[in-house]
Amino acid sequence: RKEVEQDPGPFNVPEGATVAFNCTYSNSASQSFFWYRQDCRKEPKLLMSVYSSGNEDGRFTAQLNRASQYISLLIRDSKLSDSATYLCVVNGPGNTGKLIFGQGTTLQVKP
Amino acid sequence: GAGVSQTPSNKVTEKGKYVELRCDPISGHTALYWYRQSLGQGPEFLIYFQGTGAADDSGLPNDRFFAVRPEGSVSTLKIQRTERGDSAMYLCASSPVHGNTIYFGEGSWLTVV
Repeated sequence: RKEVEQDPGPFNVPEGATVAFNCTYSNSASQSFFWYRQDCRKEPKLLMSVYSSGNEDGRFTAQLNRASQYISLLIRDSKLSDSATYLCVVNGPGNTGKLIFGQGTTLQVKP
Repeated sequence: GAGVSQTPSNKVTEKGKYVELRCDPISGHTALYWYRQSLGQGPEFLIYFQGTGAADDSGLPNDRFFAVRPEGSVSTLKIQRTERGDSAMYLCASSPVHGNTIYFGEGSWLTVV
């Protein structure tokens, strides 16, 4: 089993749609969780951290379910500019600082 | 600039040659990471430095890969006897505190022909 698993997609949605991505992780001791966004042939950039109580940043909402070891990202009112790959990130075992990335989920927002 | 700087941005080399990739982290960041990303995959962890020492090198695929950070700032990833399978984007990232948000450079695209 991969340490961080994501459905690679692609998710093709119309503008204005709401779309949700899930991610599961294997290390129950993980403490740090993030969503990164990556545009084609560019470096990943932090979208948002994920907190235990859930958190929202504009149209983006992140949730963490520790019991089931999954993380979600909800995007409301999708824009064309949201088209990208979304990477789920979890810190690795042993608290060494190692961050493990999922394969990424590709989102394509169409007019 | 204030961001992570990586050089070269693109490198084409012949199979069997030696390659060095350089990373200059954000000033003051003590944690430095190297990742490798192939097309269609997420970044794959290679090695992480805390200061000058490699805190975790469990991701280095074999002994052809080596990385150093002698003064706790700039790091060099060294690949010996390159193989076509080494072709990928090599990403460097830094963080002020380990395990926290990391900031990536623009990557070094390596092509082995």
